[in-house]
Amino acid sequence: EAGVAQSPRYKIIEKRQSVAFWCNPISGHATLYWYQQILGQGPKLLIQFQNNGVVDDSQLPKDRFSAERLKGVDSTLKIQPAKLEDSAVYLCASSPSDRVYYGYTFGSGTRLTVV
Amino acid sequence: AQSVTQLDSHVSVSEGTPVLLRCNYSSSYSPSLFWYVQHPNKGLQLLLKYTSAATLVKGINGFEAEFKKSETSFHLTKPSAHMSDAAEYFCVVSDPSGTYKYIFGTGTRLKVLA
Repeated sequence: EAGVAQSPRYKIIEKRQSVAFWCNPISGHATLYWYQQILGQGPKLLIQFQNNGVVDDSQLPKDRFSAERLKGVDSTLKIQPAKLEDSAVYLCASSPSDRVYYGYTFGSGTRLTVV
Repeated sequence: AQSVTQLDSHVSVSEGTPVLLRCNYSSSYSPSLFWYVQHPNKGLQLLLKYTSAATLVKGINGFEAEFKKSETSFHLTKPSAHMSDAAEYFCVVSDPSGTYKYIFGTGTRLKVLA
C-alpha cells in the first residue's frame, strides 16, 4: 500500500512570505491530520479532517494558517504571512477512521525554514 | 486533561544491551497508548499500541511495552539494542474527548554506542 505523500520535502522562505504544503493520504483513509513539529518538541495537532469536514482546528493559528481538504482526499496547508516561529516540520497523517485504535500513518513531512 | 511525560530526553546504551524508555501518562479515562519512532529526516512509524487488550504489547523490531495502570506507565523495552535503533521515540496518549486526537510526549533520543 502506498504511504502518505507530502511535498515539498524542504522549503526556505523569508518572513512575511506565504507557503503551501500538500498532502495525499492513503487511499480510502477518511481522517487526515496536520501536525507541527518544532525542533526538540513532540508533534502538535494543527487540524483534523473527517472526509472533507473539519473536526478539530482548535490549535490552528487562524490569523495566518489555513487548510482545506478537497473532495475528502488531498489536503493543503497554507501559511500567510509566515513568521520566524513557524520554522518546523509539518507532518501529515491519515487514518481509516477517527477511532484511535486504528493508529495513524505519517508522511515524511515538510521541513520549513523561515529566515 | 490527558498528558504524557517522557522521563528522559536522551538515553545512551551500548549495542547488545537492554533498552528502557520511560513514559508516564495522565488520563481520566481508559487511554489508548502508542509508541512511535522517528529516524532522522523520516516520518513517524508506529512501533506498537495498547488499546485495552493485553497489557503486554509486542511491536515491531523486537520492542515491547507494558501498560501498568497502577503506575500510570507505559515503558518501552527491548532486550538487545541494535545500531539501527538509534532514533527519536515518542510516547503518545489518545484523547477520548470526542476527536480521539493524539497527544505526544516530548520525545526521547536513543543513542546506541558500538
